[in-house]
Amino acid sequence: AQSVTQLGSHVSVSEGALVLLRCNYSSSVPPYLFWYVQYPNQGLQLLLKYTSTATLVKGINGFEAEFKKSETSFHLTKPSAHMSDAAEYFCAVSDRDSGNTPLVFGKGTRLSVIA
Amino acid sequence: GAGVSQSPSNKVTEKGKDVELRCDPISGHTALYWYRQRLGQGLEFLIYFQGNSAPDKSGLPSDRFSAERTGESVSTLTIQRTQQEDSAVYLCASSPARGYTFGSGTRLTVV
Repeated sequence: AQSVTQLGSHVSVSEGALVLLRCNYSSSVPPYLFWYVQYPNQGLQLLLKYTSTATLVKGINGFEAEFKKSETSFHLTKPSAHMSDAAEYFCAVSDRDSGNTPLVFGKGTRLSVIA
Repeated sequence: GAGVSQSPSNKVTEKGKDVELRCDPISGHTALYWYRQRLGQGLEFLIYFQGNSAPDKSGLPSDRFSAERTGESVSTLTIQRTQQEDSAVYLCASSPARGYTFGSGTRLTVV
């Protein structure tokens, strides 16, 4: 069975500071990994995804994530936080080899950006 | 359509009533997923459709919950005899192959 652990339910950073949101996964098969963002009262929007091509994945809004198999991690980073980055972020894992099996999501990390 | 459309966007219902939530996926997306998001919680998988069959309905919390899908089109999630613990945002997503597109959800409040 697959699972995702997001360390820290709430992260607060100053505007302009580094954003680091942690995600560790558990999977018995090679995974696909995703980060989604949810703005207040909206659905989830795909930020980026890892599909076994490059280990450093760049996404929208200046975010990127690095797949580290040895650490079973897929942490999300952004060099400089903007106020507009305040949102809920979800990490998700999928079984690479099983068609359209449902994504398994972490519990989410709420990012606050302080002026 | 251009995106995944869910209706209604908000629903307030009395405990014990039945509700029906609708999801219109992106045209051509064969896979459709329902998730539930309780206040302050992550996404809880409910059921997934491939075409109009449901290979995985393991997440449906009880027999009060059911879902169907017409072809590769609209899906409805029905909750019978609603309970207060059913209050949540119900999210639908569709996908051609990994990397979902989510709708904006239906916020269900059971009073």
